[in-house]
Amino acid sequence: DAKTTQPNSMESNEEEPVHLPCNHSTISGTDYIHWYRQLPSQGPEYVIHGLTSNVNNRMASLAIAEDRKSSTLILHRATLRDAAVYYCILSKSGGSNYKLTFGKGTLLTVNP
Amino acid sequence: DAGVTQSPTHLIKTRGQHVTLRCSPISGHKSVSWYQQVLGQGPQFIFQYYEKEERGRGNFPDRFSARQFPNYSSELNVNALLLGDSALYLCASSPRRAFYEQYFGPGTRLTVT
Repeated sequence: DAKTTQPNSMESNEEEPVHLPCNHSTISGTDYIHWYRQLPSQGPEYVIHGLTSNVNNRMASLAIAEDRKSSTLILHRATLRDAAVYYCILSKSGGSNYKLTFGKGTLLTVNP
Repeated sequence: DAGVTQSPTHLIKTRGQHVTLRCSPISGHKSVSWYQQVLGQGPQFIFQYYEKEERGRGNFPDRFSARQFPNYSSELNVNALLLGDSALYLCASSPRRAFYEQYFGPGTRLTVT
């Protein structure tokens, strides 16, 4: 599986945008980019995923570099409830895509 | 709609014992996956079941086994428990085998003493 690299931790202030980076220089053409987050004492929660184009949903935006070797998860206005570990994960598309390989993720702290 | 449910919430077992963990997927989801999360680490994939068949297995010993029932619920069994099996066990469901969104339950916290 292609690997991702994320900062161990990041800090943000409430109501400010947050840009969480992820490097995946060995990504292949069939790899999807997924973001999950895990709040304290909870299971991971799906945030967003994409393949080539930037994606938006009610939770966040995903900006994918043109060469796909990096991506950025954007939380437009951080709240205290967004404090969590954020995981950037690659997985193959198609029938062989059956697992998510989690790394250590980025611990996001949101200051009031 | 109810999310993924897991039981029990917490469990304490002794080394050498056997444990069964249970998972009920979101209604309509046919795929169930199991993950182990050791403190301070990200979840590690154990199994995926789809349509009652094992479709994927992670790098775990044969002491770990699972099955999926006709109603798509699932059990994870661990035999001959070791101290290192102490972890949070997560179940995730998805509507398809080739999934793009997985929905995780709250997990079962297993402590082996």
